[in-house]
Amino acid sequence: DTAVSQTPKYLVTQMGNDKSIKCEQNLGHDTMYWYKQDSKKFLKIMFSYNNKELIINETVPNRFSPKSPDKAHLNLHINSLELGDSAVYFCASSQVSGLATSGYTFGSGTRLTVV
Amino acid sequence: AQKVTQAQTEISVVEKEDVTLDCVYETRDTTYYLFWYKQPPSGELVFLIRRNSFDEQNEISGRYSWNFQKSTSSFNFTITASQVVDSAVYFCALMRKDSNYQLIWGAGTKLIIKP
Repeated sequence: DTAVSQTPKYLVTQMGNDKSIKCEQNLGHDTMYWYKQDSKKFLKIMFSYNNKELIINETVPNRFSPKSPDKAHLNLHINSLELGDSAVYFCASSQVSGLATSGYTFGSGTRLTVV
Repeated sequence: AQKVTQAQTEISVVEKEDVTLDCVYETRDTTYYLFWYKQPPSGELVFLIRRNSFDEQNEISGRYSWNFQKSTSSFNFTITASQVVDSAVYFCALMRKDSNYQLIWGAGTKLIIKP
């Protein structure tokens, strides 16, 4: 059973299209994240949800909209895709409780290519 | 400022050599967590270790060992008797309790193990 699963793994699409990436975790974690990894491997947080509530919303174009229907799911919808959106997008989850934290468990990534 | 510095962009060694990956962090927080993640060529992000700020014990796991020194704000990672399968990008990260447990990532060190 995959702990954090995201689909699709690869996504090739044309500029201007709208696309979604789905993420689900079966770890019972209360917090989920979206990260973007650029071509230089730099990881940048985009969004974080805790129990369906948005808690981190970094400077990201408003073409990107996260949706968390429940605490096990965090989907990422991207409108009007641009060439610069090409990257690998990682979903992750974590459980934070007082001073303890499990760290992040990552999905396998979605490689988005905009042509 | 909160920051993680991995000064070594790329390291190349011959198999069976020992190699140390450096990680220096900056934070004013008293409670924080440090992590190492591995990203092999297949692209997934694999959790290696978590260390709490109040636990300065070093850790050994097989050929891997970690040296946490609060006095120098460093959390270095050593691979003993390196193997080709260790080739990957390795990320050091800092998790701040006072910032919604957001991960602050280093830029990564690309490790190449030559046969």
